[in-house]
Amino acid sequence: QVQLVESGGGMVHPGTSLRLSCEASGFPFKMHGMHWIRQAPGKGLDWVAVVWHNGRIKEHADSLKGRFIISRDNSKNTLYLQMDSLRVEDTGVYFCAREGDSGTYSFDLWGRGTLVTVSS
Amino acid sequence: QSALTQPASVSGSPGQSISISCIGGNSDIGNYNLVSWYQQLPGIAPKLFIYEVSKRPSGISHRFSGSKSGNTASLTISGLQAEDEADYYCCSYAGGNTWVFGGGTKVTVL
Repeated sequence: QVQLVESGGGMVHPGTSLRLSCEASGFPFKMHGMHWIRQAPGKGLDWVAVVWHNGRIKEHADSLKGRFIISRDNSKNTLYLQMDSLRVEDTGVYFCAREGDSGTYSFDLWGRGTLVTVSS
Repeated sequence: QSALTQPASVSGSPGQSISISCIGGNSDIGNYNLVSWYQQLPGIAPKLFIYEVSKRPSGISHRFSGSKSGNTASLTISGLQAEDEADYYCCSYAGGNTWVFGGGTKVTVL
């Protein structure tokens, strides 16, 4: 079954860290760029980060550089997001998404998301 | 990385056609034919409906079409149906391995 399953969300205090995981199955994970996209409660989608299929190129949204780091382990078919110095405004659902075939620059497969709540 | 601009809401009666605009700039929509559109139903992950401005993934109805002119992309839904009621988001590649989303548009079927 082709799917993405996120995990690692939860309720944390401001200033702490969290690592999200996204396990892929049913398709050649190592052939696709992978993204994290988040959605604050009642708000729109916000692109977070991308890692190329081979892990060599990573890019993060300007507002998150220095706090969030995307990575992947192709041997485990797993995508990660390390989130440090968490803020209340980082609260939301975090989706992992697969980038479509080379050149489409779109997200053709999404996970169900994992909820991160940052609160004191 | 400024968000793309979409109307907050668009509505129409069953059978009508509606269009959702997505306004960007010279660094995103205006510079790349890499606009995609997503439908999100309440409590569910977004689903790809349009990619590369006007292409439909397998299984997406022909009632959905995309276009672009200058810095503005549009999604048109023809023959509006009750099941089309959802939030729709545009997204564009913005260069330098970055992407930007629109704020989302709530489509209401009257």
